[in-house]
Amino acid sequence: GAVVSQHPSRVICKSGTSVKIECRSLDFQATTMFWYRQFPKQSLMLMATSNEGSKATYEQGVEKDKFLINHASLTLSTLTVTSAHPEDSSFYICSARDLRQLNTEAFFGQGTRLTVV
Amino acid sequence: GNSVTQMEGPVTLSEEAFLTINCTYTATGYPSLFWYVQYPGEGLQLLLKATKADDKGSNKGFEATYRKETTSFHLEKGSVQVSDSAVYFCALRGTSNTGKLIFGQGTTLQVKP
Repeated sequence: GAVVSQHPSRVICKSGTSVKIECRSLDFQATTMFWYRQFPKQSLMLMATSNEGSKATYEQGVEKDKFLINHASLTLSTLTVTSAHPEDSSFYICSARDLRQLNTEAFFGQGTRLTVV
Repeated sequence: GNSVTQMEGPVTLSEEAFLTINCTYTATGYPSLFWYVQYPGEGLQLLLKATKADDKGSNKGFEATYRKETTSFHLEKGSVQVSDSAVYFCALRGTSNTGKLIFGQGTTLQVKP
């Protein structure tokens, strides 16, 4: 099946610094990538949807200036958590899909465990 | 808006027991329905899906039937194994062309030898 690679898998950063998470589709072109956040023992909450070459669409309550999303190519999207604080500690998961292919589904990355200390 | 509700866990079963994880949804039109599985420390893997009413999705011994009349998509397996221990998420994708998934809260399954 298609592979989505997310990097890093774990990151620990100091409060006030920024962290960048990469999501790559390795063997298909992702017209659309989705970024989710998962709190411990809870479900995935969609943060934003990004389409290649255009600005991301953020879900209600998600700060676009804090969670910067870039989707500059059909194989790479990045999420940058700016000025991270301990409450941003969470598991972030990306998924990628080629919306031009109607019968394919989204594939998920392995996730990134962010800990802000 | 669209939403998904799953039975709360954790669900603890002995090996070879029968599994049911309930999932109901609220949506307009005819959404597509999915079950995803998340093993510890990993991302999500698609387990099975159904795209229209009365469809049955199946994979690795798991099954779920899209029931429009009861707005349900319950996950079942006849004989669970220890390796099935994971978190299971029911999800729907609405009829808009955004492609985004709405997830249930997840159900943790623990299978004991």
